Amino acid sequence: GAVVSQHPSRVICKSGTSVKIECRSLDFQATTMFWYRQFPKQSLMLMATSNEGSKATYEQGVEKDKFLINHASLTLSTLTVTSAHPEDSSFYICSARETLSENTIYFGEGSWLTVV
Amino acid sequence: DAKTTQPTSMDCAEGRAANLPCNHSTISGNEYVYWYRQIHSQGPQYIIHGLKNNETNEMASLIITEDRKSSTLILPHATLRDTAVYYCIVRDQGAQKLVFGQGTRLTINP
Repeated sequence: GAVVSQHPSRVICKSGTSVKIECRSLDFQATTMFWYRQFPKQSLMLMATSNEGSKATYEQGVEKDKFLINHASLTLSTLTVTSAHPEDSSFYICSARETLSENTIYFGEGSWLTVV
Repeated sequence: DAKTTQPTSMDCAEGRAANLPCNHSTISGNEYVYWYRQIHSQGPQYIIHGLKNNETNEMASLIITEDRKSSTLILPHATLRDTAVYYCIVRDQGAQKLVFGQGTRLTINP
């Protein structure tokens, strides 16, 4: 299947700082990428859908000013957690929709964020 | 997306076939059934998807009932590395997003 890569895989940051997570589709172009958050022992929760060259669409209850999403190219989307707090500590996962063949969605490896 | 119902957990012996059921009684005609799995601390891995015909690939087989109200994912020879949470999701192929339920936690025992 298609490959989606996230970076960094793990990051620790101090409260009040911002942290950026990158999501890249390595062997296909992704006009649409998705960002999820997952807390321990819970399922994935969709945060937002990002379309290349346009503003992201956020799910209800997700603060768009806190979770900044940029999808500047067909292979890269970034999630920036601004003014991070310990409650933002979570597993963040991106995915990308491969549209050339069967419209399947592939996921990155995930990024662990710990805010101290 | 239509709602799916899966058992919370299942066990299977190593080397045996693991059969994971999924109910999707409200599925509409243009919605596909997708299966993903998530091994601990990793992103979900795509397994297989289908519309109404049974499908098979190198990872698994997908059996969809004739009325499409339920399906079964079959891992023919389960190994310890198949221990994971398995998610059954129905999605219009033209739709953008995947919405995850709670999935089935499959444990493969030696």
